Amino acid sequence: GQQLNQSPQSMFIQEGEDVSMNCTSSSIFNTWLWYKQDPGEGPVLLIALYKAGELTSNGRLTAQFGITRKDSFLNISASIPSDVGIYFCAGQDVQKLVFGQGTRLTINP
Amino acid sequence: DAGVTQSPTHLIKTRGQQVTLRCSPKSGHDTVSWYQQALGQGPQFIFQYYEEEERQRGNFPDRFSGHQFPNYSSELNVNALLLGDSALYLCASSNGVTQYTGELFFGEGSRLTVL
Repeated sequence: GQQLNQSPQSMFIQEGEDVSMNCTSSSIFNTWLWYKQDPGEGPVLLIALYKAGELTSNGRLTAQFGITRKDSFLNISASIPSDVGIYFCAGQDVQKLVFGQGTRLTINP
Repeated sequence: DAGVTQSPTHLIKTRGQQVTLRCSPKSGHDTVSWYQQALGQGPQFIFQYYEEEERQRGNFPDRFSGHQFPNYSSELNVNALLLGDSALYLCASSNGVTQYTGELFFGEGSRLTVL
């Protein structure tokens, strides 16, 4: 079945550092999304990408939709404590989202 | 404007029992999707309801069933519970626009523990 592989699985960084994570798929998706989940909460949409090659920013976050439509990456610049959480990539398949296993971000102050 | 609300937040059941989880979508949303999130994993799609009918289903057995009511709220039922059904069950809502953009609004989830 469809599977998204995220890397790294976890990251431990210092406050102020930049972060980069990526997601690859065995299937093509026409929409890629990045969600963030805080403890005890449901995922919240950060960025949506709709076109291969598209580069989209949302504040300190930047994401790109790979040309092959099988990958995407997310960058966070100048990390702050509230960036802590689990980041999920997701590909849209008709009415459903297929999620990766997540990248857990921990920030040392 | 209330977001997606789910109940109960936590529950404990034993193997073989049945459970019902409830979800009220965000105001203005008419589509409800259910996801199962095992510990340390990403959410997995169970099924989606629109106009009181199941529109799409993931790879889950028939023990998982659902319902959508005329007010768009939804229930997830799981019969003959197994230990492996222990997970966070997330409800997500969308409308005619967001269902095509991929933007889902998630509730906080119902944490099910099966002993």
